[in-house]
Amino acid sequence: EAGVAQSPRYKIIEKRQSVAFWCNPISGHATLYWYQQILGQGPKLLIQFQNNGVVDDSQLPKDRFSAERLKGVDSTLKIQPAKLEDSAVYLCASSPPGELSYNEQFFGPGTRLTVL
Amino acid sequence: KQEVTQIPAALSVPEGENLVLNCSFTDSAIYNLQWFRQDPGKGLTSLLLIQSSQREQTSGRLNASLDKSSGRSTLYIAASQPGDSATYLCAVLTLEQAGTALIFGKGTTLSVSS
Repeated sequence: EAGVAQSPRYKIIEKRQSVAFWCNPISGHATLYWYQQILGQGPKLLIQFQNNGVVDDSQLPKDRFSAERLKGVDSTLKIQPAKLEDSAVYLCASSPPGELSYNEQFFGPGTRLTVL
Repeated sequence: KQEVTQIPAALSVPEGENLVLNCSFTDSAIYNLQWFRQDPGKGLTSLLLIQSSQREQTSGRLNASLDKSSGRSTLYIAASQPGDSATYLCAVLTLEQAGTALIFGKGTTLSVSS
């Protein structure tokens, strides 16, 4: 079974530039998550999709971050304009449908963003 | 608001030692608890998932326990090896806002020397 795919793996940009990350979840996984992991911290949820609908985006800085999941499969996360504090690893995860107590999230390799 | 704490932040042991990593959480209303491993520059690999109704799970040399009422979990690693060196993250699945978010601790960085 193929895992969660993410690209690019690394990105370096100047502040105020824009950047986009792509995620392809495991086939059949209805739920998709984007997490932000700052160095030395645990991942923090940015947005959760159920199929192509947003379930929770309460921690997404909507003035600069946007995300979409067209057709309920792939997803893109965009930052425009980027700030220095956006330097982090952006992790995509997916989970299959089913009872929450069994809910296991599978993570991709992440995209490491450096904002200069 | 759920908070997850992991102690210690870092741990160094010689090869062959048995060790315990600790995780505590403030709200016992969780669906499950997951332990992950993260190697430098890599994503997260799921090690064990304990449902809220379970007390422990085992996989190979790993054993994780859950005491939901006291808000604690431990990850026991038997006969540690240099290949076990990584950061170990504990996360609880909880109902946050409208969704189901994993709330993570900051992790324990383990170094096993040969």
